[in-house]
Amino acid sequence: DSGVTQTPKHLITATGQRVTLRCSPRSGDLSVYWYQQSLDQGLQFLIQYYNGEERAKGNILERFSAQQFPDLHSELNLSSLELGDSALYFCASSASSGSYGYTFGSGTRLTVV
Amino acid sequence: AQSVTQLDSHVSVSEGTPVLLRCNYSSSYSPSLFWYVQHPNKGLQLLLKYTSAATLVKGINGFEAEFKKSETSFHLTKPSAHMSDAAEYFCVVSAVSGSARQLTFGSGTQLTVLP
Repeated sequence: DSGVTQTPKHLITATGQRVTLRCSPRSGDLSVYWYQQSLDQGLQFLIQYYNGEERAKGNILERFSAQQFPDLHSELNLSSLELGDSALYFCASSASSGSYGYTFGSGTRLTVV
Repeated sequence: AQSVTQLDSHVSVSEGTPVLLRCNYSSSYSPSLFWYVQHPNKGLQLLLKYTSAATLVKGINGFEAEFKKSETSFHLTKPSAHMSDAAEYFCVVSAVSGSARQLTFGSGTQLTVLP
């Protein structure tokens, strides 16, 4: 157990639907990062939050959004889902700077049918 | 800007023989470098990290990596492969981009260990 908790572990949904992925960071970590892993794109950085505020954005689609709550857990919202959104979505957390590495959760596998 | 190149997408070794996974990086500033491992259907686990201290870094499960600034390399090695080492390995560079520190992942190297 890495200390980063992601739920659910698996999600199957239809095209056009909306889903929410949840992440609880490791105790004491203020930063949360979301990554998407697909076969053709590899690991892609989506977005980072630090202590409730958006810190950096990567290759995140407009149909996707995220937030970090006062208790530091984060949610990634994916809407108008397409088949190509099927992927593993990872959450990671780090202490303030992240220079000593990130701790990853075990991921949520999203399948869009 | 930063980037990382893993020179081999697949490496196959026999159990008990040495492992070498190659990684080259590019970064405008002094980077932090990491190796992560991902076993099938699992999350990413940190193997080791370089953060400007000793250039030879020892990690878990007998892995180590050497930071060579002149060659911009951070190759991962292990003297003797074990069946349980079969997994995908990612070389990662971390550097400041704008107001935040970001990780950039390599494309991964799939390690196969033959009995």
